[in-house]
Amino acid sequence: ETGVTQSPTHLIKTRGQQVTLRCSSQSGHNTVSWYQQALGQGPQFIFQYYREEENGRGNFPPRFSGLQFPNYSSELNVNALELDDSALYLCASSARGTQETQYFGPGTRLLVL
Amino acid sequence: QKEVEQNSGPLSVPEGAIASLNCTYSDRGSQSFFWYRQYSGKSPELIMSIYSNGDKEDGRFTAQLNKASQYVSLLIRDSQPSDSATYLCAVSASGTYKYIFGTGTRLKVLA
Repeated sequence: ETGVTQSPTHLIKTRGQQVTLRCSSQSGHNTVSWYQQALGQGPQFIFQYYREEENGRGNFPPRFSGLQFPNYSSELNVNALELDDSALYLCASSARGTQETQYFGPGTRLLVL
Repeated sequence: QKEVEQNSGPLSVPEGAIASLNCTYSDRGSQSFFWYRQYSGKSPELIMSIYSNGDKEDGRFTAQLNKASQYVSLLIRDSQPSDSATYLCAVSASGTYKYIFGTGTRLKVLA
């Protein structure tokens, strides 16, 4: 069984730039959720994708957007980067059901200068 | 009031002791509860899930859920230095599939 993978592992950008983060879900999982984890904080829910559509969104501005592909992999795009976007971005995959459990990938650490 | 609250710690226990980690949540309709372990610089790793009131045991770990008190806890028996990490409590919000996390409790097991 293949676990959740994310790329890249680290990224440095400057304010105003755009970034795309990628996630491959665990084998057999059809749902992908994205979280932002700032230093010393718990992960914050950004949004979730199921069947290639956004299925729930947290308190993040529209410059955070995403996609899910037919193979259930997903992208997180962030436009007009701000310094506060510096964080660990986590992707979690799950199988749709009544008690779905989310399994996290290794994360992408983004630094915005 | 935060949606999911945890004491940030650090909680220090000697090797071999029982570590007790606590979490309270505000949404009475929450249905699913999870404990994740996160080592410094790494991503969260699932330890336990619990859905019904009572205790659930898995090896050295026991999760306890009390929905009436809106309280979930994690007990770690025979604590080892390798258990030193941040423990995150996550609650699945009612009517959605998103997780709401606490800020985590940092556990230090002293050899």
